[in-house]
Amino acid sequence: GEDVEQSLFLSVREGDSSVINCTYTDSSSTYLYWYKQEPGAGLQLLTYIFSNMDMKQDQRLTVLLNKKDKHLSLRIADTQTGDSAIYFCAERVRNAGNMLTFGGGTRLMVKP
Amino acid sequence: GAGVSQSPSNKVTEKGKDVELRCDPISGHTALYWYRQSLGQGLEFLIYFQGNSAPDKSGLPSDRFSAERTGGSVSTLTIQRTQQEDSAVYLCASSSGTGPSPLHFGNGTRLTVT
Repeated sequence: GEDVEQSLFLSVREGDSSVINCTYTDSSSTYLYWYKQEPGAGLQLLTYIFSNMDMKQDQRLTVLLNKKDKHLSLRIADTQTGDSAIYFCAERVRNAGNMLTFGGGTRLMVKP
Repeated sequence: GAGVSQSPSNKVTEKGKDVELRCDPISGHTALYWYRQSLGQGLEFLIYFQGNSAPDKSGLPSDRFSAERTGGSVSTLTIQRTQQEDSAVYLCASSSGTGPSPLHFGNGTRLTVT
């Protein structure tokens, strides 16, 4: 079955880069997603990557996908205090319709 | 509407009472999802509607939980005889069902069972 794992916590200093990692088990993933959740809010879609790509860049965000190792990462350049939030990765698996499986979330704390 | 709308935003109820949570998805989205998020935890899938197909209810934790989607749009999640362990944030999401089809989430309903 599908399983998506993330580390629980990451702390960085303002201005540094943050790298949030995610591993998944199902090799038939079609799309992989990153979401951000701020306190008291729902999940906000940050970006997604199609499984036949290995990199996607969007302003301060860079997504890297290593299909061989089933490893996904989100790099945030020049991290700001406003980036403090919980970040969730999710995968959509072929033959699972539009269902997404989410990781447990990584809490990012940015220190001034 | 512009986004997924959920109501109420907060609900406090006594143990044993029934509650109804409402979700208005993005107009035109064929897929609708309910998730539950306990304090500090990840997302627990509850139920998924896709068009006119039978819903995927595999995540509902007990027969006290049910959901319906009327007219392919608004959905209601009902919890009967609420228990304290039902306290959580209930998140609704919708998606277009085509292409990358990312989920768009509402802000959730925070349910507290006293």
